[in-house]
Amino acid sequence: SQKIEQNSEALNIQEGKTATLTCNYTNYSPAYLQWYRQDPGRGPVFLLLIRENEKEKRKERLKVTFDTTLKQSLFHITASQPADSATYLCALDGADSSYKLIFGSGTRLLVRP
Amino acid sequence: GAVVSQHPSRVICKSGTSVKIECRSLDFQATTMFWYRQFPKQSLMLMATSNEGSKATYEQGVEKDKFLINHASLTLSTLTVTSAHPEDSSFYICSARGGGVFSNQPQHFGDGTRLSIL
Repeated sequence: SQKIEQNSEALNIQEGKTATLTCNYTNYSPAYLQWYRQDPGRGPVFLLLIRENEKEKRKERLKVTFDTTLKQSLFHITASQPADSATYLCALDGADSSYKLIFGSGTRLLVRP
Repeated sequence: GAVVSQHPSRVICKSGTSVKIECRSLDFQATTMFWYRQFPKQSLMLMATSNEGSKATYEQGVEKDKFLINHASLTLSTLTVTSAHPEDSSFYICSARGGGVFSNQPQHFGDGTRLSIL
């Protein structure tokens, strides 16, 4: 069955550095991939969507790459700030329909001042 | 940006009570709404998908008689947890999306409902 893996260990970095989070998937070829941010006790907030025919997408300090050969997406936050501390979720469209999303378990990012 | 309002944010009630959670899209028409359940430090698990004016589609293992979903308009969907028990305690989150059934538009999430059954 399809599987999405995100690093369960928290990523702890110094303010100003670039944070890189990884999303790997198996047994599946998604048409698109999305990244969301979730703060404790809140619902996820949409950040970026990247399609299978796109290699890279940028939005302000955020950059997402999508490598369909490696079955991997990387999510980068440049010039990280303490306010970027949150859990970041990747999500892929479901194998049986393009309208459902399958979420990874998320990686917690902590940016130290 | 698109705003989804979920109410209530927290519910504490006795076992056997039925609890209704509302999800509203405030500034767009949500052709599809989704209901998720999330346990601490775990992924969002999709419970069901609802399209306005039609019956909800439930994921495998989700009891449709236990979790009643109504999507009566393009801006409102409700989830009713019937005869709730302690094992139903969880964080329930709704999301809404426009653009048709097979759209790849992003989902916009409510802030969740923390349900605690005593």
